[in-house]
Amino acid sequence: GAVVSQHPSRVICKSGTSVKIECRSLDFQATTMFWYRQFPKKSLMLMATSNEGSKATYEQGVEKDKFLINHASLTLSTLTVTSAHPEDSSFYICSAGLAGGKTQYFGPGTRLLVL
Amino acid sequence: AQSVTQLGSHVSVSEGALVLLRCNYSSSVPPYLFWYVQYPNQGLQLLLKYTTGATLVKGINGFEAEFKKSETSFHLTKPSAHMSDAAEYFCAVGAKSGGGADGLTFGKGTHLIIQP
Repeated sequence: GAVVSQHPSRVICKSGTSVKIECRSLDFQATTMFWYRQFPKKSLMLMATSNEGSKATYEQGVEKDKFLINHASLTLSTLTVTSAHPEDSSFYICSAGLAGGKTQYFGPGTRLLVL
Repeated sequence: AQSVTQLGSHVSVSEGALVLLRCNYSSSVPPYLFWYVQYPNQGLQLLLKYTTGATLVKGINGFEAEFKKSETSFHLTKPSAHMSDAAEYFCAVGAKSGGGADGLTFGKGTHLIIQP
């Protein structure tokens, strides 16, 4: 149980385009989902917390207009990287938490490469 | 504010030897603590967690960790390393605030190398 999927697993796009990444909790309802970014050989950095039906809470230094997060249902959150630039290239990982629980279940990640 | 320090970006042990990965944390509130493992180009898999209760927690694949409040540590151990244990290991801390999950603060990770 507690499976989280991400789509796509890998995406290459041109600079200036927008890319949408989906995060789904497959067998549970996630009241809270999180988006992390991982640079090569580095740790994960929390970007934002999203709660179903409300605006996401962004961490300091994360541009909310660049990284648009939508949590439209209890099983789906999306991250849209707008006007992507090469410095946005990274590994983006989402996680989801069960209601009332502290454990987060992580998706397999999406590798974004902006040319 | 919370932070996690993992001592040693790389740890190398022989197959069959003891694995010890160190994690120290700082937190202004009682913490929840996690160890995750990441294989190349994959997401994170939960190894074990400490929330409340017993301070020695057992996880998957023979790993265990002990929460020591006085030392602000949560070191990960495994009695006998296996080649399949080679991976990146992350210690993470979350806050005991509210009823749901909180965004986690991760350490920089420790790359575990298993020598045959």
